[in-house]
Amino acid sequence: DVKVTQSSRYLVKRTGEKVFLECVQDMDHENMFWYRQDPGLGLRLIYFSYDVKMKEKGDIPEGYSVSREKKERFSLILESASTNQTSMYLCASSVLGRENTDTQYFGPGTRLTVL
Amino acid sequence: AQTVTQSQPEMSVQEAETVTLSCTYDTSENNYYLFWYKQPPSRQMILVIRQEAYKQQNATENRFSVNFQKAAKSFSLKISDSQLGDTAMYFCAFMKHAGNTPLVFGKGTRLSVIA
Repeated sequence: DVKVTQSSRYLVKRTGEKVFLECVQDMDHENMFWYRQDPGLGLRLIYFSYDVKMKEKGDIPEGYSVSREKKERFSLILESASTNQTSMYLCASSVLGRENTDTQYFGPGTRLTVL
Repeated sequence: AQTVTQSQPEMSVQEAETVTLSCTYDTSENNYYLFWYKQPPSRQMILVIRQEAYKQQNATENRFSVNFQKAAKSFSLKISDSQLGDTAMYFCAFMKHAGNTPLVFGKGTRLSVIA
């Protein structure tokens, strides 16, 4: 089974702190994604990466950056956390399948609270 | 840009009954994929079912089936013989038929199965 893990289930940080959210997948997937999930808004894409050291902005990249130094690990960085970044953060990975079906596999999520 | 609309924020169904969750989408693409994901309370998001737009036959997975109407850009999910474990948020998602493209999600439908 595909396994996507995230470094923390719950995280509490102070405004202005630098925050690192880590995601690791164990299935050699090329693609990795970071979403944030807010009630009534669904999932919104922050950044994605389709290869090591490659990154693409999603719909809401402002205030975030990412790092992909190794294929299995994709980090989301909040350079200076703000209260409006309080949210659930979901990581996902996928591989281009035999029939071109990019099923995404999700991690358990990190619920971040910024005080 | 693609958009996905789920018009039912919340639904409930009696155990063993059938329920249908609605999803419509907007795209100018001809080849794409559609997905239903399930997120149980405090648990990981998992894929329920997927549909390739070029296939006319509706996808089925055990008690889950879809009604895919390409011309109407509609992709509803039918859950038969509902079980308590089906209680979850359900997200409809769209993906273009190209490598390394992210999912576009709807805002979700919260389904409660009542004993």
